[in-house]
Amino acid sequence: GENVEQHPSTLSVQEGDSAVIKCTYSDSASNYFPWYKQELGKRPQLIIDIRSNVGEKKDQRIAVTLNKTAKHFSLHITETQPEDSAVYFCAAILNAGKSTFGDGTTLTVKP
Amino acid sequence: SAVISQKPSRDICQRGTSLTIQCQVDSQVTMMFWYRQQPGQSLTLIATANQGSEATYESGFVIDKFPISRPNLTFSTLTVSNMSPEDSSIYLCSVGLDRGNTQYFGPGTRLTVL
Repeated sequence: GENVEQHPSTLSVQEGDSAVIKCTYSDSASNYFPWYKQELGKRPQLIIDIRSNVGEKKDQRIAVTLNKTAKHFSLHITETQPEDSAVYFCAAILNAGKSTFGDGTTLTVKP
Repeated sequence: SAVISQKPSRDICQRGTSLTIQCQVDSQVTMMFWYRQQPGQSLTLIATANQGSEATYESGFVIDKFPISRPNLTFSTLTVSNMSPEDSSIYLCSVGLDRGNTQYFGPGTRLTVL
């Protein structure tokens, strides 16, 4: 089955700096890669996603890149703010919603 | 997106008992899923709840332990049977739009088994 590795497990940045979280996946048939943000005690929220036929996608301060050949994708957050502090999960979806999640990255943005 | 609710939001149960968790969506959706998230851990897909047929379970999860119902396109239940302390976890339902790719999660049910 699919295996998703996510790094780093924790990340601390100063407000205004950029943050990058990386994930690798094993099954080349996976074709959809969402990112979720989960604040303490709350449900995961979809923040951005990318399909396998796209190399990069951007939404304001958040961007995701995908390298299908290397089977890795990354989340980039620019101009970080304290409210960006949360756990971020990547996922790889094989088909029909069959999702495999990474282990999560705890991002702390220091004011 | 979709508005998703779950009941109960939390419960404390005795070992050996069963708990049924309900998931309600405000619109008809083809795909619904059940996940488990143990404290401080990632999300693990338990099963896909199929309307009108048996759920599709992921490796490590079986119907006898986690029976699922999906009577219509807006509702599903997950039962955690014969519970043990190892079942203590947060259980989340999600709905899948765009052929299941875009998933939105319910608020979760925090289960503690004593």
